[in-house]
Amino acid sequence: SYVLTQPPSVSVAPGQTARITCGGNNIGSKSVHWYQQKPGQAPVVVVYDDSDRPSGIPERFSGSNSGNTATLTITRVEAGDEADYYCQVWDSSSDHVVFGGGTKLTVL
Amino acid sequence: QVQLVESGGGVVQPGRSLRLSCAASGFIFSSYTMHWVRQAPGKGLEWVALISYDGNNKYYADSVKGRFIISRDNSKNINTLYLQMNSLRVEDTAVYYCAKEGQQLAHGGDWFDPWGQGTLVTVSS
Repeated sequence: SYVLTQPPSVSVAPGQTARITCGGNNIGSKSVHWYQQKPGQAPVVVVYDDSDRPSGIPERFSGSNSGNTATLTITRVEAGDEADYYCQVWDSSSDHVVFGGGTKLTVL
Repeated sequence: QVQLVESGGGVVQPGRSLRLSCAASGFIFSSYTMHWVRQAPGKGLEWVALISYDGNNKYYADSVKGRFIISRDNSKNINTLYLQMNSLRVEDTAVYYCAKEGQQLAHGGDWFDPWGQGTLVTVSS
């Protein structure tokens, strides 16, 4: 089965740039979606189809995907960005949705 | 306004059954593939199952295949997604979310937007 690997945690100071990676075999050939989940809340999509941003999501959130790694980049990080972030793909070989293990973003 | 509201969670003994519902409103329910996703306490997201917009295609995570059944009612006044959970195990304890795919007539590969608020299922003796 397809596996997505995320770092358990990323820490960044306010105003700096956070990069959260999502590794998978030839993930560059898939569409990657990213979710933000704050404590006690349902996940919210922040980037879809590798690099598209839903309406209402700040331009500070962006995504890229190539080779074996997809990356969610958050520029000018704010305290309110502190949350868990998950990547997600569709594995067409198994007809399964796959989530990464999640990354906890801490704003120092 | 698109809205998904789950219900049916609760405490159940191992081996028993439970049915979750997800009432949808604010969009053409019959045009969207729907999913169930769960999250065990303190853990990450785990996809559970999907049902295509027309109900003809259903896929399940290996961990629930043969025990859970996803279904939907596309009737205009119903617009509800279901998850019948049988032979429940302690490890099925989680918050269960329903989620709508991002685009009409898509089939599994889309993003989820929005998600419901979730309903907690606790399997314990």
